[in-house]
Amino acid sequence: DAGVTQSPTHLIKTRGQQVTLRCSPKSGHDTVSWYQQALGQGPQFIFQYYEEEERQRGNFPDRFSGHQFPNYSSELNVNALLLGDSALYLCASSWAGGPGDTQYFGPGTRLTVL
Amino acid sequence: RKEVEQDPGPFNVPEGATVAFNCTYSNSASQSFFWYRQDCRKEPKLLMSVYSSGNEDGRFTAQLNRASQYISLLIRDSKLSDSATYLCVVNPTPYSSASKIIFGSGTRLSIRP
Repeated sequence: DAGVTQSPTHLIKTRGQQVTLRCSPKSGHDTVSWYQQALGQGPQFIFQYYEEEERQRGNFPDRFSGHQFPNYSSELNVNALLLGDSALYLCASSWAGGPGDTQYFGPGTRLTVL
Repeated sequence: RKEVEQDPGPFNVPEGATVAFNCTYSNSASQSFFWYRQDCRKEPKLLMSVYSSGNEDGRFTAQLNRASQYISLLIRDSKLSDSATYLCVVNPTPYSSASKIIFGSGTRLSIRP
């Protein structure tokens, strides 16, 4: 039973560029949440996708957008990258029919913006 | 005020010691609480849920104090492998299918031989 997978594992971009991160949820899960974790901080909620729609959103600017596909996988897009966007980006999946707070995390994508 | 606050530590204790962490939350309507563990450069992993009556899992004990809005984690007979960052997590709307869990900044624990 595959867990949550994310790609790529590491990424280096420069300011102003755009980036797309990908996530495949755990088998049987239909909801994907994205988090940003800066060094020394806890994960911060970006948004959550269910049925291909953004269901909830945290305090992140519109430069952060996402998408969910019919197979429940998801993408996180960040435009006009800033140095402060350097962080570990975590994807977590859950099942809408269960407790929404039982989330399983992927290994993350470490983004460095130069 | 942050929604979930933790002492960042680091806590540096000898092997075999007992160590306790506290976490406070601001939303009194919160119903669902957890402790996650995060190893260096790894993803968070669920350590244990926290129930009103308190719960124990081996050397780990979690307790909830709703009146004072804090949760605690106690680790007895600490092992070198317990060295990690411990994240306090609160779900203010657990009965909503659109649950958004909120993390504290984490408490770093280092166990020395």
